[in-house]
Amino acid sequence: AQSVTQPDIHITVSEGASLELRCNYSYGATPYLFWYVQSPGQGLQLLLKYFSGDTLVQGIKGFEAEFKRSQSSFNLRKPSVHWSDAAEYFCAVGRGSYIPTFGRGTSLIVHP
Amino acid sequence: GAGVSQSPSNKVTEKGKDVELRCDPISGHTALYWYRQSLGQGLEFLIYFQGNSAPDKSGLPSDRFSAERTGGSVSTLTIQRTQQEDSAVYLCASSVSGGVDTDTQYFGPGTRLTVL
Repeated sequence: AQSVTQPDIHITVSEGASLELRCNYSYGATPYLFWYVQSPGQGLQLLLKYFSGDTLVQGIKGFEAEFKRSQSSFNLRKPSVHWSDAAEYFCAVGRGSYIPTFGRGTSLIVHP
Repeated sequence: GAGVSQSPSNKVTEKGKDVELRCDPISGHTALYWYRQSLGQGLEFLIYFQGNSAPDKSGLPSDRFSAERTGGSVSTLTIQRTQQEDSAVYLCASSVSGGVDTDTQYFGPGTRLTVL
């Protein structure tokens, strides 16, 4: 069965600092991987996704993620965080399995 | 084009009442999902519709929960005899069917349900 682990429940960074949110997955083959962001009171918005090819994926809002097969990871990064990035971030895994599995989420807090 | 829409955005009800939550998926998306998100929790899968196939109801927490999808488009999630533990945000998502983008879900803003 597929699973997703986001080890950090909360992450606190200062505005302008770099960010890395961790995501580890368990899957029997090369998965499709996703990062979503949920701002307060909103639904989930797709940030980026990996299906195949280049393991470094660029997304919206200046985010990127790197697929590392050897580590079963798909960590989300941003070089300089803005206060508006404060939100809940969800990693998800799937592959034609029609019900992607979501992690429990990481709450990002940005200090001025 | 329009995204996924849900109504109402907020619903307050009394314990024991029935509620209906509505989801309008993106036009042309044949897959539709319902999730529940309780305070501080991740997404809990509830039910999945794909075209004319029988829905996957494996995530429904009890027989008080049901959902239907009319004409392959609009979906309604019904909770009968609501309980306080049903209080949560109910999210709907849709996706295209087939091809590499099958698993990319597009979410609605959610319905916040409060059971008093």
